[in-house]
Amino acid sequence: DAKTTQPPSMDCAEGRAANLPCNHSTISGNEYVYWYRQIHSQGPQYIIHGLKNNETNEMASLIITEDRKSSTLILPHATLRDTAVYYCILGTTGANSKLTFGKGITLSVRP
Amino acid sequence: SAVISQKPSRDICQRGTSLTIQCQVDSQVTMMFWYRQQPGQSLTLIATANQGSEATYESGFVIDKFPISRPNLTFSTLTVSNMSPEDSSIYLCSAFGTVTYTQYFGPGTRLTVL
Repeated sequence: DAKTTQPPSMDCAEGRAANLPCNHSTISGNEYVYWYRQIHSQGPQYIIHGLKNNETNEMASLIITEDRKSSTLILPHATLRDTAVYYCILGTTGANSKLTFGKGITLSVRP
Repeated sequence: SAVISQKPSRDICQRGTSLTIQCQVDSQVTMMFWYRQQPGQSLTLIATANQGSEATYESGFVIDKFPISRPNLTFSTLTVSNMSPEDSSIYLCSAFGTVTYTQYFGPGTRLTVL
């Protein structure tokens, strides 16, 4: 079973920031928080991951609370192409690390 | 990031037949993974394939139904055997990349069994 909890859906206006929450209260010390997204009928796309520090890349920012029990993925300027299912997943960075996908959150970006 | 391709991209098959799905990675990788995504559902891991050893299957998946080959560090196949309509799903492969230490996914194979 997935170890993360996400709301089933949310929407935001195009051009605005999208803040996607995730709860992971049972996270272990060596587990990272990974975010993937799946645009309809495509393979999941890696977005970002982090252990305890906030992370930023060209796609998004990841904010992890100090107690590591929750996190937020931030898409700074959402576009219509960001409409997708976003998955928050816990895992380690080893080569045999398995990813257990939950149901994710469906983000709808409206014009 | 690794670039992963799958063949075929989609297929329609008759029940009782088998289909082999190919997964090619553009660089050498240690671990490859096969997932199933049933209609309207999330992804479920079928098995982990390490080059030179037998694949490791998750609970609910067996080698006789989903035999996997991993002949080298860039290629793997998944066979869906003796298919039934319940096997209609998207099948995805992924590979572990050593730059960002995470998994990258192929585009998927959409299988419909009649």
